[in-house]
Amino acid sequence: GAVVSQHPSRVICKSGTSVKIECRSLDFQATTMFWYRQFPKKSLMLMATSNEGSKATYEQGVEKDKFLINHASLTLSTLTVTSAHPEDSSFYICSAGGRADTQYFGPGTRLTVL
Amino acid sequence: GENVEQHPSTLSVQEGDSAVIKCTYSDSASNYFPWYKQELGKRPQLIIDIRSNVGEKKDQRIAVTLNKTAKHFSLHITETQPEDSAVYFCAAPIVGNQFYFGTGTSLTVIP
Repeated sequence: GAVVSQHPSRVICKSGTSVKIECRSLDFQATTMFWYRQFPKKSLMLMATSNEGSKATYEQGVEKDKFLINHASLTLSTLTVTSAHPEDSSFYICSAGGRADTQYFGPGTRLTVL
Repeated sequence: GENVEQHPSTLSVQEGDSAVIKCTYSDSASNYFPWYKQELGKRPQLIIDIRSNVGEKKDQRIAVTLNKTAKHFSLHITETQPEDSAVYFCAAPIVGNQFYFGTGTSLTVIP
């Protein structure tokens, strides 16, 4: 149980284009999902908290107009990187809040912006 | 708000030896402390967690200890094996199940 999927696993795009990443909880409902960014050999940096049916809460320094988050159902949250630039290249990981205090992570998406 | 510090950042041990990773936290109200293992290019996996009403929890070769007074908790891996090599993260809750993650410890088990 508690499986979280993420799609796509890898994406390469041209600078200026937008990329959408999907995060799904497959066998449980997640009122809250989280989006993280991880640089090589670094820790998980929380970008935003996605709440079903309401606006996401962004961490300080994260541009909400650049990283659009939608949590339209209890099993799906999406992160859209708009007008991507090479500095947006990174490993993006979502997680879904499970029972009690736990979080279950998706497999991550490797974004490369050329 | 919560602040979590994790040490060491890198750790090398011989196969069969023990490894200990320590985290300190700042918010005395925190009551749940998970440990995650992340292999290269993969998702973090929850390996063990502890709640503030107990001081120690063990699962086979992995254990976590919690000292609420000193506000630190530690991961103990005994009889280490090469497959234990990975990056380990501790975390402490900010609010609900939103976490503040430690900076990570890269563990290498030398065969």
